[in-house]
Amino acid sequence: DSGVTQTPKHLITATGQRVTLRCSPRSGDLSVYWYQQSLDQGLQFLIHYYNGEERAKGNILERFSAQQFPDLHSELNLSSLELGDSALYFCASTPQGGFSAEAFFGQGTRLTVV
Amino acid sequence: DQQVKQNSPSLSVQEGRISILNCDYTNSMFDYFLWYKKYPAEGPTFLISISSIKDKNEDGRFTVFLNKSAKHLSLHIVPSQPGDSAVYFCAASEETSGSRLTFGEGTQLTVNP
Repeated sequence: DSGVTQTPKHLITATGQRVTLRCSPRSGDLSVYWYQQSLDQGLQFLIHYYNGEERAKGNILERFSAQQFPDLHSELNLSSLELGDSALYFCASTPQGGFSAEAFFGQGTRLTVV
Repeated sequence: DQQVKQNSPSLSVQEGRISILNCDYTNSMFDYFLWYKKYPAEGPTFLISISSIKDKNEDGRFTVFLNKSAKHLSLHIVPSQPGDSAVYFCAASEETSGSRLTFGEGTQLTVNP
């Protein structure tokens, strides 16, 4: 158990809909990272939040947004969903916002868009 | 632009033998490299890492080698065990990017009893 909790584990929704994925980092960790893993691909960095503030953006679509709340949990919002958005979405946490090497990952949310 | 590449999608070895997983990178700014292991229906789990100032790091049965001039790293598992069967991801980071990781595509390792 990494200590990072993601909900829900599975989500099936229709094209055009909007969903929210939730991540609770390890206790005390201030940074949350979101990654997307499409079929047979590596994890692609989406966005990084540190202590409530956005720190970096990666390959995140404009239809996607995220935030980190005062209690440090984070939500990834995906809207106007397309079939190609079907993927595993992972969040990871680290203690600080800077360079702290290994990140701890949640179990992921498997999103299926039909 | 795939900055971290794992060219072997799969690897099969016999229990007790050595498993060697390879990874190449193109970004010379990467200064920290990690290996993660992933079982089905679970998130990636950190395995071992190496800083760019080193060329080898060992942790039990796992050793990571870094060849900076070739921009190549490898993970050696000796001896391999059936429980090592998983997908292994190579990842890299730059100090200036915090703990943001750039991942390879992964290699499925199967250790046969």
